[in-house]
Amino acid sequence: AQTVTQSQPEMSVQEAETVTLSCTYDTSENNYYLFWYKQPPSRQMILVIRQEAYKQQNATENRFSVNFQKAAKSFSLKISDSQLGDTAMYFCAFMKHVNSGYALNFGKGTSLLVTP
Amino acid sequence: NAGVTQTPKFQVLKTGQSMTLQCAQDMNHNSMYWYRQDPGMGLRLIYYSASEGTTDKGEVPNGYNVSRLNKREFSLRLESAAPSQTSVYFCASSRPGRANTEAFFGQGTRLTVV
Repeated sequence: AQTVTQSQPEMSVQEAETVTLSCTYDTSENNYYLFWYKQPPSRQMILVIRQEAYKQQNATENRFSVNFQKAAKSFSLKISDSQLGDTAMYFCAFMKHVNSGYALNFGKGTSLLVTP
Repeated sequence: NAGVTQTPKFQVLKTGQSMTLQCAQDMNHNSMYWYRQDPGMGLRLIYYSASEGTTDKGEVPNGYNVSRLNKREFSLRLESAAPSQTSVYFCASSRPGRANTEAFFGQGTRLTVV
């Protein structure tokens, strides 16, 4: 069963504006890691940003930042000054413990369109 | 640095045919994964290998088999392809089983079963 929920299948934003993509997750673990991956039309999976659950400070990478609310199990991605190249599918994921190691568990994705 | 290399990039199979998707990584990663991506479903884990010599089922293993040939290579086999296996397949790798490690992905294989 999916334990990562992205409630916005599609979103649109104008160039230079700010957009926030939502993600909630469910885990019983206390220490874990959360990720946002970008998948442009080329199909390549690209890591956008990573958050460590034990850190209170929200991660930032240039125009990308997260709002991590551990108690609410929420992990949203904010894209500032949106660019046409940000058009892509965005996947929220967390590294879950499996039998013999760890594996990424993905949400269903949000398709983001940046318009001129 | 090639990273994770998958072959082929595209494949069309007839129902009942078999094929093997190949994956190799050159980052000395212990963990390797196979995911499938279907519209509206995100990426779902088929099989994974935490280290050379071990493999485990993921969320959607039915109809697939895997082989961890050595540390570099992790193949996915469809013994008798079905239309339900039409999908985009991704191989990925990561450093030894740690939760803070990102996964690196291949470019994907678009498989169509007719």
